[in-house]
Amino acid sequence: DAKTTQPNSMESNEEEPVHLPCNHSTISGTDYIHWYRQLPSQGPEYVIHGLTSNVNNRMASLAIAEDRKSSTLILHRATLRDAAVYYCILRDPATGNQFYFGTGTSLTVIP
Amino acid sequence: DTEVTQTPKHLVMGMTNKKSLKCEQHMGHRAMYWYKQKAKKPPELMFVYSYEKLSINESVPSRFSPECPNSSLLNLHLHALQPEDSALYLCASSREHGSSRITDTQYFGPGTRLTVL
Repeated sequence: DAKTTQPNSMESNEEEPVHLPCNHSTISGTDYIHWYRQLPSQGPEYVIHGLTSNVNNRMASLAIAEDRKSSTLILHRATLRDAAVYYCILRDPATGNQFYFGTGTSLTVIP
Repeated sequence: DTEVTQTPKHLVMGMTNKKSLKCEQHMGHRAMYWYKQKAKKPPELMFVYSYEKLSINESVPSRFSPECPNSSLLNLHLHALQPEDSALYLCASSREHGSSRITDTQYFGPGTRLTVL
């Protein structure tokens, strides 16, 4: 499976937008980009996923570079509840639905 | 109901004990997963079950023995564990595994925190 690279940690002020980057230079044409987050003392939860086009849902937006070698998860207004580890994961559905997590980014939200 | 439940929440066991972790989902999902997560590390895939059959074993030591008695239930039997096996054990489920048409969401349980003395 292709690897992802994320910053170890980031900080954001409450109610400001947050841009969480992910590099995946070895992505294949059939890899989907998934984002999950893990709040303290909880299991990971789904945030968003996409293939080529930018995606929006009620939690976040996903901006995918034109060459697909990087992507950015955008939280439009960070709240204290958004403090979590955010994982960017590549998955090719043709090879199964299992996930191989990278190291993730630990997001701290400052009140 | 999008909930995956795991019991127990916490488990302390000795190296000679036999114990089991239980995971349950009632979403009609046909794929279930076990992950192991050490402190400050990402989850690591251990096993994948698809339609109650073991599909993937990520070279996990035999002291961990998974079982899928029916489509809603996944167990992880533990025997002769080592202190380094202490970790958070996460269960997840998704609609399918291995279908090229589907990018399924995985739903995770809260985990069982295991301590081996």
